[in-house]
Amino acid sequence: QQQVKQSPQSLIVQKGGISIINCAYENTAFDYFPWYQQFPGKGPALLIAIRPDVSEKKEGRFTISFNKSAKQFSLHIMDSQPGDSATYFCAAAVNQAGTALIFGKGTTLSVSS
Amino acid sequence: DAMVIQNPRYQVTQFGKPVTLSCSQTLNHNVMYWYQQKSSQAPKLLFHYYDKDFNNEADTPDNFQSRRPNTSFCFLDIRSPGLGDAAMYLCATSRGAQAQHFGDGTRLSIL
Repeated sequence: QQQVKQSPQSLIVQKGGISIINCAYENTAFDYFPWYQQFPGKGPALLIAIRPDVSEKKEGRFTISFNKSAKQFSLHIMDSQPGDSATYFCAAAVNQAGTALIFGKGTTLSVSS
Repeated sequence: DAMVIQNPRYQVTQFGKPVTLSCSQTLNHNVMYWYQQKSSQAPKLLFHYYDKDFNNEADTPDNFQSRRPNTSFCFLDIRSPGLGDAAMYLCATSRGAQAQHFGDGTRLSIL
């Protein structure tokens, strides 16, 4: 029940295309859903996050869609660029200090030019 | 820029030889976390400090310990590293329940 399932494992998108990564969770106590971007040899960097009181959040080319009833959320990267090539992790947590981020297994995105 | 700094970036130790990894932060965050990330896997929380209070995850091996001498610094001690402890170790900080910010990690190799 603590798991976060992420798909696909890898994704190849052409420059200018839309990248879509999906995540699903079981624990209804989760109320904080961040996405992290990680480049090789670097730590995860917070990209965008959403709480369950909204169904969508957009920051620049990055959009999170959230479906509370289905317990699913997704990241859309519009106009994907080669510089977006990285590993993306979705995560979920109970929104209180010190609780673990439960990460999905990650999606390796390659944007071809 | 305020940040989370981990030293060293790469650490090599011998099987069974104690090793200490360090993390410092200029964000003045009150919560500090240690995550373990094995190759091609997601980070997994080992433990965290909320202010001075230490909180261990239930499945963190006894081999792993931590110290937080002040707000800015936190150390991860591995008492007797085994081959299975080779991983990237990530330090993160947060202000209370707000977003966690990660350092770039220390990659630990065991000979």
